[in-house]
Amino acid sequence: AQKVTQAQTEISVVEKEDVTLDCVYETRDTTYYLFWYKQPPSGELVFLIRRNSFDEQNEISGRYSWNFQKSTSSFNFTITASQVVDSAVYFCAFILTGGGNKLTFGTGTQLKVEL
Amino acid sequence: NAGVTQTPKFRILKIGQSMTLQCTQDMNHNYMYWYRQDPGMGLKLIYYSVGAGITDKGEVPNGYNVSRSTTEDFPLRLELAAPSQTSVYFCASRRDREPGRGYTFGSGTRLTVV
Repeated sequence: AQKVTQAQTEISVVEKEDVTLDCVYETRDTTYYLFWYKQPPSGELVFLIRRNSFDEQNEISGRYSWNFQKSTSSFNFTITASQVVDSAVYFCAFILTGGGNKLTFGTGTQLKVEL
Repeated sequence: NAGVTQTPKFRILKIGQSMTLQCTQDMNHNYMYWYRQDPGMGLKLIYYSVGAGITDKGEVPNGYNVSRSTTEDFPLRLELAAPSQTSVYFCASRRDREPGRGYTFGSGTRLTVV
């Protein structure tokens, strides 16, 4: 069965610091998708990025970047020059193709960005 | 498009009461899901459906029931509410042939059982 581990329960940084959120996954399948979601204090789930298992290219979107490494089964998320508005819980998630395509979540990392 | 709509947004139940959490989507998605999120935890799958008339258990189905009589609606039923069911409940849907698109989530229902 697949599993997603986010070992960092809570991270606190000062505004403008860079911060990396770790995500490690386990699966024996070769075809899968990885996601990051943001959950701000208001509670909704905001989709950030998806990556399929055949695409190991890193991606940058503004202050956000993602590093996908199949060799270490990791899909880490970096926020550059963090801002107070980045304060949220961030979830890494995983889908196998087939079998209901159930999304499996990690336990989340609470990021607090302070002035 | 409204996306995925959940009602109510908040509810307080007494132990032993029953209620139905409503979820409807207007995107003609075949796959629908119910998750619960306990404080400080990730989301855990309760039930899911791959189409009208088809439902299946997820990771934490005990104490819940679902039905899927139409493509649009996927209600979640709590028959005998217990304090352990205090949680935030999220409904989600997705297209069946687009696993890479992930899910569309509703805004959640915050349930407290006292």
